[in-house]
Amino acid sequence: DVKVTQSSRYLVKRTGEKVFLECVQDMDHENMFWYRQDPGLGLRLIYFSYDVKMKEKGDIPEGYSVSREKKERFSLILESASTNQTSMYLCASSGQGATEEKLFFGSGTQLSVL
Amino acid sequence: DQQVKQNSPSLSVQEGRISILNCDYTNSMFDYFLWYKKYPAEGPTFLISISSIKDKNEDGRFTVFLNKSAKHLSLHIVPSQPGDSAVYFCAAFTGGFKTIFGAGTRLFVKA
Repeated sequence: DVKVTQSSRYLVKRTGEKVFLECVQDMDHENMFWYRQDPGLGLRLIYFSYDVKMKEKGDIPEGYSVSREKKERFSLILESASTNQTSMYLCASSGQGATEEKLFFGSGTQLSVL
Repeated sequence: DQQVKQNSPSLSVQEGRISILNCDYTNSMFDYFLWYKKYPAEGPTFLISISSIKDKNEDGRFTVFLNKSAKHLSLHIVPSQPGDSAVYFCAAFTGGFKTIFGAGTRLFVKA
């Protein structure tokens, strides 16, 4: 069974802290994504990566960075957490190339920034 | 400005009846659409999709209809079951790795 695993289910951090969200997939997928889900706004793309060490900005990259040192692992970094980054963060992966439509999601990390 | 819109935040249906979830989009260049289902404490999972060359796609109890002239798609669930209670996201795959999601509709199926 294919799997995308996010390291934490819940996180509570303080304003100004550096936060790392980790995601691992076991499907040998090339593409990996970070979304955030907010009520009334659906899922919005933060960053994605189509290969190791490659990254592209999504629709809302401000305040975030990413790292992809290995194919199976994609990390989201909040350099200095702020209260407006309180959200559900979802990692996803898809096969290979720019035409892979179907996304496979992890269970999400609910981040609260106090 | 949302390019994929799900105007009903929630929908309540009796078990055994039909559930109809609606979705509108603004960009006529979108040519592939997907529905994802999300249970609490889980990530979204792919449910069904449709290409713009079709106007209907069916998979068991789930059927998606696409009306390109109206820029509208709908998901029909027949018959609805309590286990279908979840949040349903409509999405448009735009190519170039990008998927645009609607805000979601929470479906309640009452036993």
